[in-house]
Amino acid sequence: AQKVTQAQTEISVVEKEDVTLDCVYETRDTTYYLFWYKQPPSGELVFLIRRNSFDEQNEISGRYSWNFQKSTSSFNFTITASQVVDSAVYFCALSEAWYGGSQGNLIFGKGTKLSVKP
Amino acid sequence: GAGVSQSPRYKVTKRGQDVALRCDPISGHVSLYWYRQALGQGPEFLTYFNYEAQQDKSGLPNDRFSAERPEGSISTLTIQRTEQRDSAMYRCASSLGARSETQYFGPGTRLLVL
Repeated sequence: AQKVTQAQTEISVVEKEDVTLDCVYETRDTTYYLFWYKQPPSGELVFLIRRNSFDEQNEISGRYSWNFQKSTSSFNFTITASQVVDSAVYFCALSEAWYGGSQGNLIFGKGTKLSVKP
Repeated sequence: GAGVSQSPRYKVTKRGQDVALRCDPISGHVSLYWYRQALGQGPEFLTYFNYEAQQDKSGLPNDRFSAERPEGSISTLTIQRTEQRDSAMYRCASSLGARSETQYFGPGTRLLVL
């Protein structure tokens, strides 16, 4: 069965600290995609990154970095030198891509609420 | 360009009333998805369309929920005979194609059933 687990419900850090948000997934498919979305206090869902199962290279975008490890079924997200504006709920999501089908709906974790204090 | 839009942004209704929630996807996006998000939870899939064809409605909770996308663009999610348990944020997303393309979300419609 497909499932996304974000074990950390809430994390609180002080500005400039580094913080890692954990994501563990389960899937029956060999081809799948992983995503991270940010939900700031204003409520919208903002896309951050999409990664397919064949690309295990880590990715860095400014202060954000992602570590994908198939061996442990994890796709963790690190914010370096956190800022108050990073305060939000962060969701990890999984999408399976069955060969010959047209699936694509996202399976979300329950989210991790990050609070960055000045 | 313009993102996904949804209307109304907030809807308060009385139990037993029907409601219609509208989603206008990003222009040119083939696939459109509906999700429901309860407080403190991640969004949960309801249904999706490729063009005007409803491909999967396995996430619709019961037959009071229906969705359509008659011209392959704007979509409407209808809830008949609303119940208090239907209160949630209803989110729409669109993607350029199917097969796990990136989905871009609208601002959502907050539904409150009294």
